[in-house]
Amino acid sequence: EADIYQTPRYLVIGTGKKITLECSQTMGHDKMYWYQQDPGMELHLIHYSYGVNSTEKGDLSSESTVSRIRTEHFPLTLESARPSHTSQYLCASSDHTSGWVETQYFGPGTRLLVL
Amino acid sequence: SQQGEEDPQALSIQEGENATMNCSYKTSINNLQWYRQNSGRGLVHLILIRSNEREKHSGRLRVTLDTSKKSSSLLITASRAADTASYFCATDDSGYSTLTFGKGTMLLVSP
Repeated sequence: EADIYQTPRYLVIGTGKKITLECSQTMGHDKMYWYQQDPGMELHLIHYSYGVNSTEKGDLSSESTVSRIRTEHFPLTLESARPSHTSQYLCASSDHTSGWVETQYFGPGTRLLVL
Repeated sequence: SQQGEEDPQALSIQEGENATMNCSYKTSINNLQWYRQNSGRGLVHLILIRSNEREKHSGRLRVTLDTSKKSSSLLITASRAADTASYFCATDDSGYSTLTFGKGTMLLVSP
């Protein structure tokens, strides 16, 4: 089991609410990622980080934002949730020192339902 | 960025049978990885094959890579009910620093 954690595991909220999905890892990995995945579908990269104070947008346009103030922590925030944000959000990390060969370690995911 | 495409989309077999899944991609890669995802969970890394390798084994898993055809296959031998999951290929695109995942194959192994 990878040492990467996500909270909450499930979240049901109303439209317009601000939410933060937490992700933390204890492996000391430099690189971290957020993916969005609808049931039975592929993963879409929405944000990633090379390390502290680094954040990059992924392939899928997202209204969410991320921050990386500490190596182990990579929270994702939605300022105003909408039903279209309903999905599963997966956090992952990898060791940057291995160069471009990246085995990613995933958290258990957060299932978000916006009513 | 490119995207891997798994084939078939879904596969249903009996315990003890072999399961083969295929992945195709579009551009040059440094390596290709396979991951497993149990229902509603995160992904778990299974195996990585580099672009200069043609075949790799890990337990009941066998992965092949054909860079001329831009394709890979994952073979699970003597499948078990516990192998029921979705399987994704992911490519570390040459020149990029992220992985691109395919759409996945859903495998159902019945007792």
